[in-house]
Formats: sequence, structure tokens, C-alpha cells
Amino acid sequence: KAGVTQTPRYLIKTRGQQVTLSCSPISGHRSVSWYQQTPGQGLQFLFEYFSETQRNKGNFPGRFSGRQFSNSRSEMNVSTLELGDSALYLCASSAASGGGTQYFGPGTRLLVL
Amino acid sequence: EDQVTQSPEALRLQEGESSSLNCSYTVSGLRGLFWYRQDPGKGPEFLFTLYSAGEEKEKERLKATLTKKESFLHITAPKPEDSATYLCAVLVGAAGNKLTFGGGTRVLVKP
Repeated sequence: KAGVTQTPRYLIKTRGQQVTLSCSPISGHRSVSWYQQTPGQGLQFLFEYFSETQRNKGNFPGRFSGRQFSNSRSEMNVSTLELGDSALYLCASSAASGGGTQYFGPGTRLLVL
Repeated sequence: EDQVTQSPEALRLQEGESSSLNCSYTVSGLRGLFWYRQDPGKGPEFLFTLYSAGEEKEKERLKATLTKKESFLHITAPKPEDSATYLCAVLVGAAGNKLTFGGGTRVLVKP
């Protein structure tokens, strides 16, 4: 089975711009979760989508949003980028939303200048 | 608030020198504890899931154990390819897939 794929792998943006990241889960998986990883804060949960519905949301401002499509692919959007948004954004997929193993993609490295 | 603490932050080992990594947690309603390995510039790679105190899982040179307050990841006779950051995460709450991660332990195994 193919693993979780994320596009693009690298992005450079400037402050104030917006960005959209994409995640394709493992075939058959219906839950997609997003995490932000920074050297200072480590890995932090952003939100989870299951069957096109947001199930959980972490403590991030409303500039961070996401959605999931009927084929389980997910996108996350960050508007009005700030320097502190520079991070590795990771997507994880799971078969269900009931606590099964989450498998991570390679991440998208975002640099905000 | 749910808290996960990993120690030590960094560990330098000689090849063949066994050691243990600790993950202590303060949470309500633990539904599972996960161990991941992360290489630089890559996403975390799943290693183990533990669900209840007393449970143990093994894979090659790695063995994970779980008690009511902490988990240990034992590395037996490590090799340089075991060098990585090891992350533990807990799943709590009634539903959903939100993982709360510890800060990780950076392991360097020297030949």
C-alpha cells in the first residue's frame, strides 16, 4: 500500500500571504489529522477530519483551517501568514477515528519570510 | 491539562550499549500510548502501540513497556542505524484521534 503523501514538500512564503497544503491518506483510511512541528513547541495537534467532518481541533488561531473531501483527501489552509508559522506540517492518516494507529506523511516544510 | 514528558532529552550511546528511554504522562482516560521514531527531515515512523498497564511489545532491538504512569523504550545492543529522535504520544479523551506528544529523546549511537 502506498503511504501518506503530502504536497508540496517545501514552500517559501512571505508574511501576510496564505498557503494551502494537501494530504492524501493511505487508501481506505478515512481519518486525517494535521500536526505542526517546531523546534520550540514540538509536535502539536491542529485538527482531525473524519468523513468530511472536523472531529477535533487544537489550540490554534482561526487562521488555521482545513477541510476533507469525499475521497478522504484533506487540505489545510493558513491565512495571513506570520513568521511564527514557519514549521514542518505533518499529516497523519488512520483507518477510523476511534484511536487506531496514525501513520504520518513526510511533511511539508513551510518557511515564512 | 494532559502532559507528556520524555527523558532524557538526548542520549549518546556506543554501539552495543543498551539503554532505556522514559515517557511519563499525566492524563485523564488514557486510550493508548504510541511510540514513533523520527529521522531528520522526515515524518514520524510508527513503532508501537500500548493500551494497558503491563503490556509489552518488541521489534528487533526495541522493546516498549507500559505502567500506569509511564512507558519505557528499551534499546538493546543498539546500532548506528538506531540513531533518531524517539517520540511518545498519548491518546486521551472520549473519542477522536488527537495525539499529545512528548518533546522526544534524540538518540545518537556511535560506532
